[in-house]
Amino acid sequence: GQQVMQIPQYQHVQEGEDFTTYCNSSTTLSNIQWYKQRPGGHPVFLIQLVKSGEVKKQKRLTFQFGEAKKNSSLHITATQTTDVGTYFCAGPHRDDKIIFGKGTRLHILP
Amino acid sequence: SAVISQKPSRDICQRGTSLTIQCQVDSQVTMMFWYRQQPGQSLTLIATANQGSEATYESGFVIDKFPISRPNLTFSTLTVSNMSPEDSSIYLCSVERGIVGYNEQFFGPGTRLTVL
Repeated sequence: GQQVMQIPQYQHVQEGEDFTTYCNSSTTLSNIQWYKQRPGGHPVFLIQLVKSGEVKKQKRLTFQFGEAKKNSSLHITATQTTDVGTYFCAGPHRDDKIIFGKGTRLHILP
Repeated sequence: SAVISQKPSRDICQRGTSLTIQCQVDSQVTMMFWYRQQPGQSLTLIATANQGSEATYESGFVIDKFPISRPNLTFSTLTVSNMSPEDSSIYLCSVERGIVGYNEQFFGPGTRLTVL
């Protein structure tokens, strides 16, 4: 079946360093979504990418969708303590139901 | 955006009992989704709750274990039946909202279930 894989599973960075998480799908995706879940919270939608090669920015966050629409990345520049959490990518499965990747847990060292 | 509430927020239950989780949305939606998230894990879709028809279950989840109701377009319940410690998890409901081709999911705050 369709799978959405994310790496790394965990990432510890010093505050101020950059962070990147990668998402790969076994099949071509019509779109990809990114969510952030703070510790003890629920997933919150960040962005959706639809076009091949699309790049979108939200302040220090840069999202990219691969040309083949099978991979995506989220890059955070100059991390801050507020960036702590788990970042999930998600892509539509059959019947447009969303499949979530396993997530990348980001921990910021002060 | 969508405002979603869930009840209860958390519960501790005994093995063999059942718990019904309620999900209320602030406006009408066609589909509501129920997810399970075990500690430190990703979200796994349990089923899609459709108003006016039976829920659609994902592989590995069955109606006898997770009966779902969807009496109207703003409300749904998920029951976790005959619970065992393996059912300890966070259960989240979500809705999809947006324009065609751009749908984002909004999640409720979740119900943290511990089964002893």
